[in-house]
Amino acid sequence: KNEVEQSPQNLTAQEGEFITINCSYSVGISALHWLQQHPGGGIVSLFMLSSGKKKHGRLIATINIQEKHSSLHITASHPRDSAVYICAVRWTTDSWGKLQFGAGTQVVVTP
Amino acid sequence: DVKVTQSSRYLVKRTGEKVFLECVQDMDHENMFWYRQDPGLGLRLIYFSYDVKMKEKGDIPEGYSVSREKKERFSLILESASTNQTSMYLCASRGQTIYGYTFGSGTRLTVV
Repeated sequence: KNEVEQSPQNLTAQEGEFITINCSYSVGISALHWLQQHPGGGIVSLFMLSSGKKKHGRLIATINIQEKHSSLHITASHPRDSAVYICAVRWTTDSWGKLQFGAGTQVVVTP
Repeated sequence: DVKVTQSSRYLVKRTGEKVFLECVQDMDHENMFWYRQDPGLGLRLIYFSYDVKMKEKGDIPEGYSVSREKKERFSLILESASTNQTSMYLCASRGQTIYGYTFGSGTRLTVV
């Protein structure tokens, strides 16, 4: 069964610290997404990657296709970054645009 | 901005009731999805639709059905709600935006 694994499950950081969340997947993908979910439930798309690196503000996402691995970095973390971060992939075998999700990483940034 | 609107944020229903969860998108997207999210299990696909009146089962379709009579609206139906369907339900649509997918705010359903 194709799998998406995230680590760590939980992460606590002090304000200003650099945070890294990892995502590994088992077979070929056509795209990888990083999503953010705040308490209350709504999900926001942060990045869609198929290669290389993307940056948006203090967030950086990288992907290594050969190693089947992606990382999400948060620089100069802030309490408002506290959320669940979710990795999701679209397998190359999928025709419909379905996503498979990791279990999520709960990030808490303390002042 | 693309919007995906779910009609209810919180819903409480009784066991055995028929429940409708509504999702509307405003960007003419063809593909729409219903997921449920449970602690420790992440998001799992219930059903998806790739066009009006077209639907496909996802990974956990049992106990659910869907309806897509108009392109912008995708409804999830719990034919006879059960307590194990208590969950967060998220709708998403997929189109040609830079992120690919837009999610709704979610509906937290409690079946008592």
